[in-house]
Parts: sequence; C-alpha cells; structure tokens
Amino acid sequence: DAGITQSPRHKVTETGTPVTLRCHQTENHRYMYWYRQDPGHGLRLIHYSYGVKDTDKGEVSDGYSVSRSKTEDFLLTLESATSSQTSVYFCAIRPKTTGSYEQYFGPGTRLTVT
Amino acid sequence: AQKVTQAQTEISVVEKEDVTLDCVYETRDTTYYLFWYKQPPSGELVFLIRRNSFDEQNEISGRYSWNFQKSTSSFNFTITASQVVDSAVYFCALYNQGGKLIFGQGTELSVKP
Repeated sequence: DAGITQSPRHKVTETGTPVTLRCHQTENHRYMYWYRQDPGHGLRLIHYSYGVKDTDKGEVSDGYSVSRSKTEDFLLTLESATSSQTSVYFCAIRPKTTGSYEQYFGPGTRLTVT
Repeated sequence: AQKVTQAQTEISVVEKEDVTLDCVYETRDTTYYLFWYKQPPSGELVFLIRRNSFDEQNEISGRYSWNFQKSTSSFNFTITASQVVDSAVYFCALYNQGGKLIFGQGTELSVKP
C-alpha cells in the first residue's frame, strides 16, 4: 500500500463546468503523476510534479492544469470539462528509493462528462 | 522515439494453460527500465516487476516468469498453469531518461474455468 488516496472516486459533471480531482499521499514522496486511462490507449501522462510548486506537462496536457502547494497533495483541474475528458484518472507516486523507478498508483477516479 | 507495443489486445485461455504476453519496446537510451503491471477487474493497478537494461537475467516468481531480450527489444511475460484469478489487463511499460513512464496499450487476459 503506497498510501495514495484519490477523491472523489466517481463524478458526473456537465460540459463546461470546472472539475478538480485530488490526489493525497501520506509518505512524503517527491514525484507525483496524473494519468488518464482510455480504451485502446493504455495510460497516458497528463502532468507530473517533482516537488512543491514544480510541475511539468505530459503527453496529453491540453485542457488540464495542476497545482501542488503541499508535498502531500497534487490537484488536477479541468477548467471547462468536455466530453472527451470522460475517462478514468489515476494518480501515481514514485518512491524515493535510489534506482527504483516504478510508480505506484492510487485507486482511480471515474469521471463522466455529460 | 520511445514506444511500447503490446500487439495482443485480447487473449483467452482455459484454466491450467500456459500463456505468454508479448511486449516490444523502442528506445535510444542505453539505460532504461521495463515494468509489468496488472489491472484486475476491480480496476486498481498493481506493480509486478521491474527490469533494468543491464540485467538480462530472466526472472521467475511462482507461476510468473519474465523473459527480457535486448537483441529483440522484448520483455515477455509468461503465466504457467493459468488460473481464473489471473484474468486482468496487463500493461508493459518503459521508463526512459526523460523521467516518464510510457505504457503499452495493454493485453486483456481472460482465463476461463
């Protein structure tokens, strides 16, 4: 158990509304990631963070923003949700262990944009 | 370009059969890491194994084994004597020097009783 929680776990929202997903970790990991999972695409990186206030874009960052004001929280915001953002969103952390590059994932958030 | 290809979208076997999931990767880096993850029907992603590019030794863990071959850029995963609980989507992934994990599209394994 990597001590990662995501909230909410399920959300239905309307097109054009803002949505914020939260990822919370309890083990002081420096690196945190947001992915989306869609059929036929595996997992694709949206944004990631390598420290408080240090973030960078991933492969599919358009329409998303992130913030990390505390080590334990990494927020993903959809400023104006669209139906193409209907997906399952996973947060992940990378442990600090030297030479360990695997990531551990939260339980996921299923987002439906109607 | 960095890429991971899992050509098998779906595989269906009968319990106790052996099954191999293929993974082919592309990278220009000399140092890289490969991973397998399991996603059971409940939806969580479970880390199974990590392999670095300097270690081509095959690994066995119970009914699971992994075959890493740099010459063919492959990192295949074999389940021996499959069980219904092995039914899941399996993802192969590549970690590159850019610091990002690149996933294949996944292979959905269905093990029927």
